[in-house]
Amino acid sequence: KAGVTQTPRYLIKTRGQQVTLSCSPISGHRSVSWYQQTPGQGLQFLFEYFSETQRNKGNFPGRFSGRQFSNSRSEMNVSTLELGDSALYLCASSLDVGGRNTEAFFGQGTRLTVV
Amino acid sequence: SQQGEEDPQALSIQEGENATMNCSYKTSINNLQWYRQNSGRGLVHLILIRSNEREKHSGRLRVTLDTSKKSSSLLITASRAADTASYFCATDGSFHGSSNTGKLIFGQGTTLQVKP
Repeated sequence: KAGVTQTPRYLIKTRGQQVTLSCSPISGHRSVSWYQQTPGQGLQFLFEYFSETQRNKGNFPGRFSGRQFSNSRSEMNVSTLELGDSALYLCASSLDVGGRNTEAFFGQGTRLTVV
Repeated sequence: SQQGEEDPQALSIQEGENATMNCSYKTSINNLQWYRQNSGRGLVHLILIRSNEREKHSGRLRVTLDTSKKSSSLLITASRAADTASYFCATDGSFHGSSNTGKLIFGQGTTLQVKP
């Protein structure tokens, strides 16, 4: 079974631009979550999608948004990029049996650098 | 906000020795997971332990869970240089209702260095 695939692996953007990151979950997994990892704040939850619906959202500004498609693939978008958005963005997928967390499997991440 | 605290923040041992990392958390949980992260890469799932379990093994890994103390430990036996990585515990937010499903709350991690 293929793992979680995130594209692109690396991105360099300029302040003020927007960026879209993509995540393909493990086949059969319907829950996709996104996390931001920075040296200062650690791993922070961004949002989670299940069956094309955002089920849960972390404490991030509205510049951070996402969506999920019918094939469970997910994208996250960051608009009006700021230097502080430089981070490793991780996507995780899980089976999510009965609305409770099961094992979450992560992709390799997208390293975003904002200059 | 971080749910858990991990202890120690950094650990350096010789190959062959055992490594123990601890994780404490604040709220009730359904399960707790441990992950490994090699420098700047994705998280590798190691083990999930449910709130009604006290101990779980997987190869050289042993995880314990004490829900009364809200703590867990990860033991790596007979460590190898390849075990050098950061280790994170993560608790699920779903205990407090469906609005928290899909949310993992991570500790700050323990950085383990295994010297050959």
